[in-house]
Formats: sequence, C-alpha cells, structure tokens
Amino acid sequence: GAVVSQHPSRVICKSGTSVKIECRSLDFQATTMFWYRQFPKKSLMLMATSNEGSKATYEQGVEKDKFLINHASLTLSTLTVTSAHPEDSSFYICSARDLLEYSNQPQHFGDGTRLSIL
Amino acid sequence: GIQVEQSPPDLILQEGANSTLRCNFSDSVNNLQWFHQNPWGQLINLFYIPSGTKQNGRLSATTVATERYSLLYISSSQTTDSGVYFCAVVSGGYNKLIFGAGTRLAVHP
Repeated sequence: GAVVSQHPSRVICKSGTSVKIECRSLDFQATTMFWYRQFPKKSLMLMATSNEGSKATYEQGVEKDKFLINHASLTLSTLTVTSAHPEDSSFYICSARDLLEYSNQPQHFGDGTRLSIL
Repeated sequence: GIQVEQSPPDLILQEGANSTLRCNFSDSVNNLQWFHQNPWGQLINLFYIPSGTKQNGRLSATTVATERYSLLYISSSQTTDSGVYFCAVVSGGYNKLIFGAGTRLAVHP
C-alpha cells in the first residue's frame, strides 16, 4: 500500500519550455503533498507544500511564479516549471501523506523526475 | 529550525562487513524516517522510527528520542546496499520533513 506515482521519470527539453510533473497517490487520498528538489550529490530540499483545494505554501527562496503547483484533487498534485532554463535542471521528488494519518506519520515518496534543460 | 546531522558523510565497506550510521537532531521530533536512495534516485523508506528499535532483515534502527539521536545498523553488507542513506525528521507542529545531508555508502565485492 501507500504507493505514490510520479510522471514523467525523465524529461529533456529546450530552454524556454514549460514542463509539468505529476504526482499521484494511487491507493490513498492525500490532502497534503510535498515537492522536493535535489541537486547532484546533495540532500533533498523542500520546495513547497501542496494543499488540496488551496494555494501551495512555498519555502523561503523558492519562486512561486517559476514553480507553479496545483493540487486539484485528493490524489493529484502537479508541479509546472515555467519557462525552464538550464539552472532549473535538477531531480524533483514528490511525497504524500495519507489524509487518514496524523501529521507525524510517514510520508510516501514518488520515484522522482530528472529534468534536464538544454 | 531543527538541525539534522548525519555521520559519517562517506563510508566504504567490504562486502560482509557491518556498519552503523548516525543521525543527530537538535530538537524533539514527532517523526523520524530513514531512507535509502539507490543509484537511480529512488527513495526507499527503510524505517519510520520516532522512538524505540525496529528490525527488518539485515537492517535495524534505534532512536533515543531523549538524547536526540538515531542509529541505523547494516549487518552483512551487500553491494546492493550501496547508495545514500538519509535521515529525516518532523519537529514541532510542522508538517515539514527535514533531511540530513546523508551518508554515502559504497560496498565493494
């Protein structure tokens, strides 16, 4: 149980393109999903908390107009990297927590999306 | 905010050896998870262990919440254990999972 599907797993595109990444909870509902970014050989950094039916909460230093988050249903959150540039190249990972569990319960992670902007 | 420190940063083992990875945190925690990130980037949830001891095959973990540390034990290491091990915590009333810098493990045959 507690499977999180992230799609696509890899994207290579030209500078200036907007890229959408999907994060789905397959066997549970999630009012809260999280988006992380990971640079090579570094740890995961939380970018934003995605809340179903309301605006996302962004961490300090994360441009909300660059990284658009939509959480339109209890099983789907999307991250759109708008007008992507080479410096946006990174590994993006989402996680979700079952709405039936308290906030201190484990988060379940997707397999990540490797984004490369040429 | 809470600080999460992992040690050692890098570890090289011969297959069959045992190892202990440590995670120190600067404040009380509501949630602590250990993850293994494989070479393909997948984050595998090893343990959810805000306190106490758990075991799963060759792996076990102990969290001493009062002393603000957690240990991950790997016994009889295998080459497939290679990768990065992360400790992550949730503290206070926040939902956020804060990751340590990780321990990079290489197991050689």
